[in-house]
Amino acid sequence: QSVLTQPPSVSGAPGQRVTISCTGSSSNIGAGYDVHWYQQLPGTAPKLLIYGNSNRPSGVPDRFSGSKSGTSASLAISGLQAEDEADYYCQSYDSSLSGSVFGGGTKLTVL
Amino acid sequence: QVQLQESGPGLVKPSGTLSLTCAVSGGSISSSNWWSWVRQPPGKGLEWIGEIYHSGSTNYNPSLKSRVTISVDKSKNQFSLKLSSVTAADTAVYYCARDIGADGYFDLWGRGTLVTVSS
Repeated sequence: QSVLTQPPSVSGAPGQRVTISCTGSSSNIGAGYDVHWYQQLPGTAPKLLIYGNSNRPSGVPDRFSGSKSGTSASLAISGLQAEDEADYYCQSYDSSLSGSVFGGGTKLTVL
Repeated sequence: QVQLQESGPGLVKPSGTLSLTCAVSGGSISSSNWWSWVRQPPGKGLEWIGEIYHSGSTNYNPSLKSRVTISVDKSKNQFSLKLSSVTAADTAVYYCARDIGADGYFDLWGRGTLVTVSS
């Protein structure tokens, strides 16, 4: 029962576009706090994918994009590749908890 | 290039105290960043445990606050986690991470270390 809600799984064929949603509340995303996204490949540590709602760190392909509106945020992955198969997590700050909160994670399967 | 490396016992007995250290190399722990611990139970999602600034200021996850202590040793360029009264539910991969910004994000992670709570 994560503070931020993500779909457990999404899937898409190579070359397609998929989106992953992250829904929060008035104490986190809706309060104006930024949303950040991480990619976790099997057996490895999470890797920062998107920060500050829509910014990509150096080295992250522009196939990955993020957006935020109201109490929700989304991660979009276009031109799906087999190597994108991973778990994706959103993260924000929650004022009522005075700390960082994560979504439950979404497993992306490339068909 | 800054790197983080977790270390500590991989097995802790129930009711005992879990102790881990995160060594910061290639940079100073006294830089203008917070430093966090995040854990991930097997097959489950990520949970933020808490964070520390080089001044010693801390913030903890309210759900763990009564059992958690995070400390910093600037002379050794490392920070540490202690979690007391552990149970099997505390079995997880524990990551240390660098925390950037006011409502921060984690731009740098250690490889993680699995801690199992079992007798």
